[in-house]
Amino acid sequence: GQNIDQPTEMTATEGAIVQINCTYQTSGFNGLFWYQQHAGEAPTFLSYNVLDGLEEKGRFSSFLSRSKGYSYLLLKELQMKDSASYLCAAMDSNYQLIWGAGTKLIIKP
Amino acid sequence: ETGVTQTPRHLVMGMTNKKSLKCEQHLGHNAMYWYKQSAKKPLELMFVYNFKEQTENNSVPSRFSPECPNSSHLFLHLHTLQPEDSALYLCASSQDRGTSAEAFFGQGTRLTVV
Repeated sequence: GQNIDQPTEMTATEGAIVQINCTYQTSGFNGLFWYQQHAGEAPTFLSYNVLDGLEEKGRFSSFLSRSKGYSYLLLKELQMKDSASYLCAAMDSNYQLIWGAGTKLIIKP
Repeated sequence: ETGVTQTPRHLVMGMTNKKSLKCEQHLGHNAMYWYKQSAKKPLELMFVYNFKEQTENNSVPSRFSPECPNSSHLFLHLHTLQPEDSALYLCASSQDRGTSAEAFFGQGTRLTVV
């Protein structure tokens, strides 16, 4: 079956670095997405990886290892506004997104 | 603002009521989606429309009925719902179905069935 695993909740300190891991099993693979969702708001696109390696975009970076079925989202210089849920989704061979349940990130001062 | 607008934002309905959720996008996208989001669960894809044609129905009960009159508008008609249908219903759009284009989401309708 198809499956995405990510931690349910993580806590980090303002100004620090946090890494949110995601493992996936899909029928075929057409890329890995990360979305951010603040409480009561729409999920918003953060990153897309389809090739192995690290993609950096400001304070946020996303990494992919296709051979390991593994991705992570790295958030640097954490700010209070980064408190949100982070959704990992893998796209299968039919271009259907398989979603994780999301990781709730709590930032403490 | 993602370019996808959903109304209403909140809805409380009885099990015998009939109501409709509305979604609108002016991004020029050809694919539109309905998702159900329940607490601590993955997003569940309900319906997919591509160029106004329904391409997927993921075993959704018939008490949910989608309608796509044009590529900019999507509706979800609700009738005789159950309390377990209470959830956040998200609409999304993307350039096309069958590509790796990112999806843009609306803010959702928080539905409570009493």
